[in-house]
Amino acid sequence: AQKITQTQPGMFVQEKEAVTLDCTYDTSDPSYGLFWYKQPSSGEMIFLIYQGSYDQQNATEGRYSLNFQKARKSANLVISASQLGDSAMYFCAMREGFQGAQKLVFGQGTRLTINP
Amino acid sequence: DSGVTQTPKHLITATGQRVTLRCSPRSGDLSVYWYQQSLDQGLQFLIQYYNGEERAKGNILERFSAQQFPDLHSELNLSSLELGDSALYFCASSAGGQGAGETQYFGPGTRLLVL
Repeated sequence: AQKITQTQPGMFVQEKEAVTLDCTYDTSDPSYGLFWYKQPSSGEMIFLIYQGSYDQQNATEGRYSLNFQKARKSANLVISASQLGDSAMYFCAMREGFQGAQKLVFGQGTRLTINP
Repeated sequence: DSGVTQTPKHLITATGQRVTLRCSPRSGDLSVYWYQQSLDQGLQFLIQYYNGEERAKGNILERFSAQQFPDLHSELNLSSLELGDSALYFCASSAGGQGAGETQYFGPGTRLLVL
């Protein structure tokens, strides 16, 4: 079963606009963490933002915020005031539980293109 | 710069050969993870080490093996290479390996091409 689903293979947005990248997840573990990573064309994976399953507030990091809707099992990434440098692949990932394997399970990614 | 280093950046080799990928975690991190990113499989977890001990295994082939040394650097060994092993191999590290909220920081990756 797909644990992380990113339904938008590609998105095109005008510079300075806000953009929302969708992510839904599937888990029966009450304790989990959700992460977003950015992968520019150079290939590295850059950590952006984290949301814990018990967090009461939506996570924010600069221009990045996470729209966490626990009942709907969604964790959408919102990028405000997009910039040309935001063009990249974006991956949503989940880690379950406090013990045992702490592997990240990734979605298929969304390729974001910012147009000038 | 995440603080995780990986060498080499690029590797081109032939089928049937064996290669070793090396990773140094961020200073102070005890856990090292290996991931494979390929076009058809996406990003897949291979294996995790914590303070020198194997902690978890994912979809790692028997032809692949890894270890973490006393200085905490890790090596991923890929043998009897096949064309399908061509991929971007990432190493990531985290502080203690505990907790669902512990962030993993990724290295720049090693791009392996098997011809």
